[in-house]
Amino acid sequence: RKEVEQDPGPFNVPEGATVAFNCTYSNSASQSFFWYRQDCRKEPKLLMSVYSSGNEDGRFTAQLNRASQYISLLIRDSKLSDSATYLCVVIKAAGNKLTFGGGTRVLVKP
Amino acid sequence: EAQVTQNPRYLITVTGKKLTVTCSQNMNHEYMSWYRQDPGLGLRQIYYSMNVEVTDKGDVPEGYKVSRKEKRNFPLILESPSPNQTSLYFCASSFVGENYGYTFGSGTRLTVV
Repeated sequence: RKEVEQDPGPFNVPEGATVAFNCTYSNSASQSFFWYRQDCRKEPKLLMSVYSSGNEDGRFTAQLNRASQYISLLIRDSKLSDSATYLCVVIKAAGNKLTFGGGTRVLVKP
Repeated sequence: EAQVTQNPRYLITVTGKKLTVTCSQNMNHEYMSWYRQDPGLGLRQIYYSMNVEVTDKGDVPEGYKVSRKEKRNFPLILESPSPNQTSLYFCASSFVGENYGYTFGSGTRLTVV
């Protein structure tokens, strides 16, 4: 089983709709969680950290469920520019090593 | 502007010809790392460095070398490239600590023929 797993998609989303997807992680000692966004053939960029209490940044909401070992990302009022691959990232308790999920591809269509 | 700079962006080389991909950051980050990204395999860590003169293997270190003589630079060296090292490479840096996300360079697309 992979350490960090994501549904690869694609999630085809009408413009203006809401889309949500999860990421599961296998190591219960995982300490920190992030969502990154990656556009085709470009570098991943930090979208948001995921806090235990959940957090929101504009149209994006991230949640953490430690009991079930997953994090989620919800995008409201989807824009065409939200089309990208969203990478789930987990850091274990010690050190800086980021472990990446395979990514979830989101396609927002008019 | 705070950034991680990789060079070159694109490189086509022949099997066995030594090459170096440079990485430099201007954010005074202690931690630097190299990843490769391949279709279906995602991002995999090659080597990382927690500070100057401190380097360690990641998940896929075979065929690669790194050095960290200065805080800002972390070059990736392929002594004898092979076709299975054809990939998209990213350098990244951050402050030490699990609460910091990475800043990535723009990537180097390497083709070994």
